[in-house]
Amino acid sequence: DQQVKQNSPSLSVQEGRISILNCDYTNSMFDYFLWYKKYPAEGPTFLISISSIKDKNEDGRFTVFLNKSAKHLSLHIVPSQPGDSAVYFCAASEVDAGNMLTFGGGTRLMVKP
Amino acid sequence: DTEVTQTPKHLVMGMTNKKSLKCEQHMGHRAMYWYKQKAKKPPELMFVYSYEKLSINESVPSRFSPECPNSSLLNLHLHALQPEDSALYLCASSGGGYNEQFFGPGTRLTVL
Repeated sequence: DQQVKQNSPSLSVQEGRISILNCDYTNSMFDYFLWYKKYPAEGPTFLISISSIKDKNEDGRFTVFLNKSAKHLSLHIVPSQPGDSAVYFCAASEVDAGNMLTFGGGTRLMVKP
Repeated sequence: DTEVTQTPKHLVMGMTNKKSLKCEQHMGHRAMYWYKQKAKKPPELMFVYSYEKLSINESVPSRFSPECPNSSLLNLHLHALQPEDSALYLCASSGGGYNEQFFGPGTRLTVL
């Protein structure tokens, strides 16, 4: 049973436009959510996170939105750049239960010049 | 220094071999993790060490044996692996609480 899901395996966006990556979760005990970017044969690189007491967190071109009632979060990248092309993983954890990350299946983002 | 290092980068081993993967961090993090990632799949948690003690073992077969010699080092000892254990093995560390996990570059393991 997948507790964290990314329903879009891939997304293609034109350079300069907005990229929106979506993530859904089922475990209501998750209270910390993260987005990681991954290139092939490399470890995931942390992008941005949000705790369950917030509904938005922004860092430069990256904004994460959390809708707890819908158990949904999204990552907005604006403007998108070709260097953003990678696989993006959503992850969730229950901080007081060991802070183990449960990852979604990933979304491959392709930003076209 | 916000880096997690892992050695070796690549490892090929036979099913009867014994080998070890190494992970190191100097961020003062007290939580360290091993993940396994198969191709086109997300990372899956294997082990969690908290303050140098094994706190979580996600039902990993005993042919994988973790060790935390000190607060900066984490090893994964491998013995009698199967070809299906071939994967990218990722180490991560965290300051705990609402802090992100930092990942190393991984060890690409191939079991023949």
